[in-house]
Amino acid sequence: GAVVSQHPSWVICKSGTSVKIECRSLDFQATTMFWYRQFPKQSLMLMATSNEGSKATYEQGVEKDKFLINHASLTLSTLTVTSAHPEDSSFYICSATAQADTQYFGPGTRLTVL
Amino acid sequence: KQEVTQIPAALSVPEGENLVLNCSFTDSAIYNLQWFRQDPGKGLTSLLLIQSSQREQTSGRLNASLDKSSGRSTLYIAASQPGDSATYLCAVSGTSYDKVIFGPGTSLSVIP
Repeated sequence: GAVVSQHPSWVICKSGTSVKIECRSLDFQATTMFWYRQFPKQSLMLMATSNEGSKATYEQGVEKDKFLINHASLTLSTLTVTSAHPEDSSFYICSATAQADTQYFGPGTRLTVL
Repeated sequence: KQEVTQIPAALSVPEGENLVLNCSFTDSAIYNLQWFRQDPGKGLTSLLLIQSSQREQTSGRLNASLDKSSGRSTLYIAASQPGDSATYLCAVSGTSYDKVIFGPGTSLSVIP
């Protein structure tokens, strides 16, 4: 149990385009989902926290207009990188948690912006 | 503010050795501590999860201990194998809803 999936697992896009990444909790209802980013040779850094049906809370330094997060249901959160640029190339990982439970991590999405 | 550190940053050992990875955290009020493995270019694989009330967890050749009072956890890998080569991350959360704070990781290389 407690499986979190992400789609796509990798994506390559041109600079200026938008990319949507999905995070799904497959066998539980996730009241809260988190989005992390990992640059090469660095540890994961939290970008934002999203609760179902409400606006995401962004960490300091993360542009909310650039990284749009939607948590429309208890099993799905999406991260849209708008007008992507090469510096947005990174590994994006989501995690999901049910009430009073541990965070379960997705496998990650590798974004490469050309 | 919770901070997580890991020592060493990198480790290279010959195959068959037993080894210990260290993780330290500054705030002992944690909900749980997790050890993850990350292969190059891959996502996270959860290895062991220790709840705040537990002292250790074991899975196969892996054993993780937790000493909340001193803010430390160790990951013990027995009889290391080349397939164990990866980056090992420890992460703590303050509450069940809290964000997980990751350490910088230990890059392990097991030489055949």
